[in-house]
Amino acid sequence: GENVEQHPSTLSVQEGDSAVIKCTYSDSASNYFPWYKQELGKGPQLIIDIRSNVGEKKDQRIAVTLNKTAKHFSLHITETQPEDSAVYFCAARPRAMNYGGSQGNLIFGKGTKLSVKP
Amino acid sequence: NAGVTQTPKFQVLKTGQSMTLQCAQDMNHNSMYWYRQDPGMGLRLIYYSASEGTTDKGEVPNGYNVSRLNKREFSLRLESAAPSQTSVYFCASSPSGANVLTFGAGSRLTVL
Repeated sequence: GENVEQHPSTLSVQEGDSAVIKCTYSDSASNYFPWYKQELGKGPQLIIDIRSNVGEKKDQRIAVTLNKTAKHFSLHITETQPEDSAVYFCAARPRAMNYGGSQGNLIFGKGTKLSVKP
Repeated sequence: NAGVTQTPKFQVLKTGQSMTLQCAQDMNHNSMYWYRQDPGMGLRLIYYSASEGTTDKGEVPNGYNVSRLNKREFSLRLESAAPSQTSVYFCASSPSGANVLTFGAGSRLTVL
């Protein structure tokens, strides 16, 4: 089955610096790669996602890149702010796990705790 | 707009006790999920329901049962709680054919 590895497990940056979190996946048939942000005491929230037919996607200060050949994808946060401090999870959805009319059986990485120091 | 609501937020059980975690969504989503989150382990899928009337096992279903009561509600039951089930449990939902999961705020369960 699909396996998602996420690095680093912790990341500390100064406010204004960039942060990069990397994930690798094992199933070449995976076709959807979301990133979730989890603030303390809350549930994860989708911040950006990318599909296998796209190499890069940007939304203001965050961007995701996908390298299908190498089977890895990365989250880039520029001009970090203290409110970016949270745990970030990557995930991959193997194509073979689609079921019925609904898709969503994601395999998650173990998370990265990002701390942005003022 | 409440999104996904989970109850209770906190619960302490003794080994062998049973309990049910409740989840309800008001977004008219067809699919619902139960995940558990453990330190250093990320989110692991326990059970899911692709649509009303169907349920399927995820990665870690042992020791759990689920009920899709109607389109809005999806409950998770622990029949005989074990310390290994100490975790934070998240319910999520998504529209059919879509990929975006909306998570609840979580339920922290401690089994002594």
